[in-house]
Amino acid sequence: DGGITQSPKYLFRKEGQNVTLSCEQNLNHDAMYWYRQDPGQGLRLIYYSQIVNDFQKGDIAEGYSVSREKKESFPLTVTSAQKNPTAFYLCASSINGHPNEKLFFGSGTQLSVL
Amino acid sequence: AQSVTQLGSHVSVSEGALVLLRCNYSSSVPPYLFWYVQYPNQGLQLLLKYTSAATLVKGINGFEAEFKKSETSFHLTKPSAHMSDAAEYFCAVDSNSGGSNYKLTFGKGTLLTVNP
Repeated sequence: DGGITQSPKYLFRKEGQNVTLSCEQNLNHDAMYWYRQDPGQGLRLIYYSQIVNDFQKGDIAEGYSVSREKKESFPLTVTSAQKNPTAFYLCASSINGHPNEKLFFGSGTQLSVL
Repeated sequence: AQSVTQLGSHVSVSEGALVLLRCNYSSSVPPYLFWYVQYPNQGLQLLLKYTSAATLVKGINGFEAEFKKSETSFHLTKPSAHMSDAAEYFCAVDSNSGGSNYKLTFGKGTLLTVNP
């Protein structure tokens, strides 16, 4: 079945540690996105990529980094510079990033701080 | 800058009752509008979207929404609530600016509870 796979489902970070969240899609979509979800805050865009080897900052990129070396993969690294990383992280994709396209979402990764 | 306001962070209805979830947007250009649903501990699924083809949009699971430009609204309705409709609902807007800059803005969400 085609879709988006996020792993792990739960992740714990120690202070000062970088952690990487995985996002893989087999939908052959060009565009991929990372959102952060906090209770009562909706979704906020961290980074997005409309093509391989290119990505753009979203509204809350500070303390995060991404790479897009392959079309199907868009990993997110939460660095030690992100002082409040506890949140639910959602990866999404769309066909080519046009504004009227449907987003396909993964099932998310819950990141918590030890 | 575009923004989305969802009135009511929590809506509670009885099974079989009308569901009305409110969404107002601000956009300097004609927008694309979306409603997504999120079940607990899952990602979001598209319910429906408005892309200027018709002001009344029908979606999955019996939901529909009406685009009202004069009120800058895109409220979501369902005539009869079912227990399985209990979830969080998000309204989102993207400006149809024609540019290459992607910018989908989400509202803060409305949690729908359905009582038996």
